[in-house]
Amino acid sequence: DSGVTQTPKHLITATGQRVTLRCSPRSGDLSVYWYQQSLDQGLQFLIQYYNGEERAKGNILERFSAQQFPDLHSELNLSSLELGDSALYFCASSDTGWNTEAFFGQGTRLTVV
Amino acid sequence: GENVEQHPSTLSVQEGDSAVIKCTYSDSASNYFPWYKQELGKGPQLIIDIRSNVGEKKDQRIAVTLNKTAKHFSLHITETQPEDSAVYFCAASSPTGNQFYFGTGTSLTVIP
Repeated sequence: DSGVTQTPKHLITATGQRVTLRCSPRSGDLSVYWYQQSLDQGLQFLIQYYNGEERAKGNILERFSAQQFPDLHSELNLSSLELGDSALYFCASSDTGWNTEAFFGQGTRLTVV
Repeated sequence: GENVEQHPSTLSVQEGDSAVIKCTYSDSASNYFPWYKQELGKGPQLIIDIRSNVGEKKDQRIAVTLNKTAKHFSLHITETQPEDSAVYFCAASSPTGNQFYFGTGTSLTVIP
């Protein structure tokens, strides 16, 4: 167990809908990362937060947004969902968020139908 | 941005043999290289990492080597066991150090 908790584990929703994925980092970790894993794209970095502030942005679509709350949990919001958004979404956390070990949660499997 | 290439994409070995997975990276400013193991239905699990000021690191049956000049690093698993079967990902940190670029993964099968 990495200590990173993601909910829900599975999500099935229709095209055009909006969903929220939640992540609780390991105790003491200030940084949260979001990654998307699909069969043809591998692990793609979406966005990173450190102590409530956005620190780095990757290939995150404009339809997606994220935030990190004062208690350090993070949410990834996906809107206007398309079939191609079906993927595994992982959250990872690390202490400083800079060249340090990152620990992954179990992921949320999103299926858009 | 950083580009990480990983080979091979699939690897089958007999139990007890060694397995080697190789990765190359493009940005010489990258200085942290973790390796992750992902089992079916689970998230990636950090198994070993290496920083650019070190050439080799070992942890029991797992070792990682780094050649900064050639910009490549490798994972070595000795005395493989069936429970080593999984997908392995290499990664390189971004020059700013706050995100990882992952390789495309190697599916390792250890045949009993």
